[in-house]
Amino acid sequence: DQQVKQNSPSLSVQEGRISILNCDYTNSMFDYFLWYKKYPAEGPTFLISISSIKDKNEDGRFTVFLNKSAKHLSLHIVPSQPGDSAVYFCAASPTNTGNQFYFGTGTSLTVIP
Amino acid sequence: EAQVTQNPRYLITVTGKKLTVTCSQNMNHEYMSWYRQDPGLGLRQIYYSMNVEVTDKGDVPEGYKVSRKEKRNFPLILESPSPNQTSLYFCASGWRTGELFFGEGSRLTVL
Repeated sequence: DQQVKQNSPSLSVQEGRISILNCDYTNSMFDYFLWYKKYPAEGPTFLISISSIKDKNEDGRFTVFLNKSAKHLSLHIVPSQPGDSAVYFCAASPTNTGNQFYFGTGTSLTVIP
Repeated sequence: EAQVTQNPRYLITVTGKKLTVTCSQNMNHEYMSWYRQDPGLGLRQIYYSMNVEVTDKGDVPEGYKVSRKEKRNFPLILESPSPNQTSLYFCASGWRTGELFFGEGSRLTVL
C-alpha cells in the first residue's frame, strides 16, 4: 500500500512560470518530508526538506508547503527554468524510527523554453 | 569528494546466477539503504542498515540479502535472481536523521 502518493505523473510548465508539484501521504506518524530531484541516468539528489513543526520552508526558487491536517505537501518552483526539467520524488519519514523513508512514485516536470 | 559508489552500473544476467551489487560510501554515514525503482511504483526500499551488523527489511525484501560488516560498505546480494528482479537499483546513505545521498544506480536485467 502506497503511503506516499504523487498523483500527477507529469507536468509541463512554461519557462518563467510557477511549477507546483503535489504529494499526499496517509501515515500520520510521518513528521519529516523531503523532495528529491532526479535526472536521467543519475541518482536522486536532495532538494529541500520540511519538518512537521513548520508549514513552509524556502530555499531560493524552491518552497515546500506542508498542510498536516490535509496530509498534503507541495513543492513550488518560481521561476521555473529549463534545467528544472527532471523527475521529482517526495519522501516522508517517521523520524522516531530512524532514517527510514517512504517515497512517492514521482512527477516528471518539463519546463518549456 | 563525498559520494556513494555502486558497481556494476549495468548488468545482464540469467535466472538463478548469483550476483552481488556493491555499494560504498565515503561520508562515514551510519545509515545505508537499498531501493529499487520501477515504472509507476517509484522508489521502494529493499533493506536498510542503521549501523554495522544491524540490518532490517524494507518494503520489498523478498529475494534479496544484505550484509553490513564495515561502515562504508553495504552490498546487495541476489542469491537466485529472477526476471521480476529486473529493475534499477539505488544505494543510499545518510545520518540517522536528515537527507539521503544516492548512488548513480545499477540497472539490472535478469533473463
